[in-house]
Amino acid sequence: DSGVTQTPKHLITATGQRVTLRCSPRSGDLSVYWYQQSLDQGLQFLIQYYNGEERAKGNILERFSAQQFPDLHSELNLSSLELGDSALYFCASSVEGQGGNTIYFGEGSWLTVV
Amino acid sequence: TQLLEQSPQFLSIQEGENLTVYCNSSSVFSSLQWYRQEPGEGPVLLVTVVTGGEVKKLKRLTFQFGDARKDSSLHITAAQPGDTGLYLCAGAHSWGKLQFGAGTQVVVTP
Repeated sequence: DSGVTQTPKHLITATGQRVTLRCSPRSGDLSVYWYQQSLDQGLQFLIQYYNGEERAKGNILERFSAQQFPDLHSELNLSSLELGDSALYFCASSVEGQGGNTIYFGEGSWLTVV
Repeated sequence: TQLLEQSPQFLSIQEGENLTVYCNSSSVFSSLQWYRQEPGEGPVLLVTVVTGGEVKKLKRLTFQFGDARKDSSLHITAAQPGDTGLYLCAGAHSWGKLQFGAGTQVVVTP
C-alpha cells in the first residue's frame, strides 16, 4: 500500500460523457502527479500540482483538466470522452515537486469508454 | 514519441537465468529511476541513480547509470518467478516531471 488513494477503481462510460477521477495523496505529500497508461502509449505524464498550484504540464488534452484542492487532494476531469481515452489513470504523490524525489503511485483508475 | 527507449520490449526466461534490460535516451537527466509494475497495481520505485557511472545493487538487481547520464541498465542475476513484472525506467528533470519509457515486460517461468 503506497498510501495514495484513487477512486473509483473502475468505471465504464459512453463516448461524449464526462468523468472525474479523485486522488488523495500520501499524508504530508504536497505534490500530486497524474499519468495515463495505455497499451500503445505506455505511461504518459499529464500534469503535476504542488501545494495547490500547477507545476508542470505534459501531454494533457484540452478536454482534460485537473486541480489540487486546499486539503491537497486532486481531481482529474475528463470530458467529451472518446474511445481512445480508455486507459489506466494513475495518480502519484511526493513530498516535494523536485526531480529525483521518490514518487508513490496509487493503484490507478481503470477507465473504459464504450 | 518516447524520449526513453527501453529494450527489449518483452523478455521470457527460465528461473535461475540472468537478464539485462536497457534504457536509452538522447536527453540528459538529473536522475533516473527504475520501477516495477505488477498487474492491477501502480509502479513501485526500485532505485534512483543520480551520478554518472553510478552502480547500485538491490539484492540480485544491479542498476547502472551511464557516464553521460543518458542511459541505464538493470541486470537481474538468477531470476526468480517473483521478478516477473513490467520494468519501467523514468528520467527525472529538475522541475519534477518524470519521463517514462514504454517498459520491458519480464516473465520468469519456474
